[in-house]
Amino acid sequence: EAGVAQSPRYKIIEKRQSVAFWCNPISGHATLYWYQQILGQGPKLLIQFQNNGVVDDSQLPKDRFSAERLKGVDSTLKIQPAKLEDSAVYLCASSFALWATNEKLFFGSGTQLSVL
Amino acid sequence: SQQGEEDPQALSIQEGENATMNCSYKTSINNLQWYRQNSGRGLVHLILIRSNERENHSGRLRVTLDTSKKSSSLLITASRAADTASYFCATMVTQGGSEKLVFGKGMKLTVNP
Repeated sequence: EAGVAQSPRYKIIEKRQSVAFWCNPISGHATLYWYQQILGQGPKLLIQFQNNGVVDDSQLPKDRFSAERLKGVDSTLKIQPAKLEDSAVYLCASSFALWATNEKLFFGSGTQLSVL
Repeated sequence: SQQGEEDPQALSIQEGENATMNCSYKTSINNLQWYRQNSGRGLVHLILIRSNERENHSGRLRVTLDTSKKSSSLLITASRAADTASYFCATMVTQGGSEKLVFGKGMKLTVNP
């Protein structure tokens, strides 16, 4: 079974530039998550999709971050414009069920973003 | 916001010894999960315990949950060098009508060969 695929693996940009990350979840997984992990901290949920609808985006900085999951499969996360404090690893995860109760998450390897 | 807090923040042991890590949380939960993260990689699910369970096992892993104390512990028996990683507890909570998985800050385990 193929895992969660993310690209790119690494990205270096200058502040005020824009960047996009891509995620392909495990086939058949209804729920998709984007987490931000700052060095030395645990992952923080940015946005959660169920199929192509947003379930929770309460911690997404909507003035600069946007995400979409067209057709309920692949997802992209965009930052425009980037700030220094956006330097982090962006993790995509997916789970099978429509509702997350007692479901485990499967994570991709992440995209490491450095904003200079 | 991070709800779980792992203790200790770092642990160094010898191969073959047992490793115990604790997690405390603040609000009521639906379940509690433990994940492992190797350096530069994504997180891997280890074990889950439901809010109405007190103990669960999976291979060399044993997790306990005390909802009255809002705490959990993860025991790794007969540790191996390959167990060296960061470990995170995560609580499944209901917020704003939806369920979300909230991670702690993590703890670093080093198993010396």
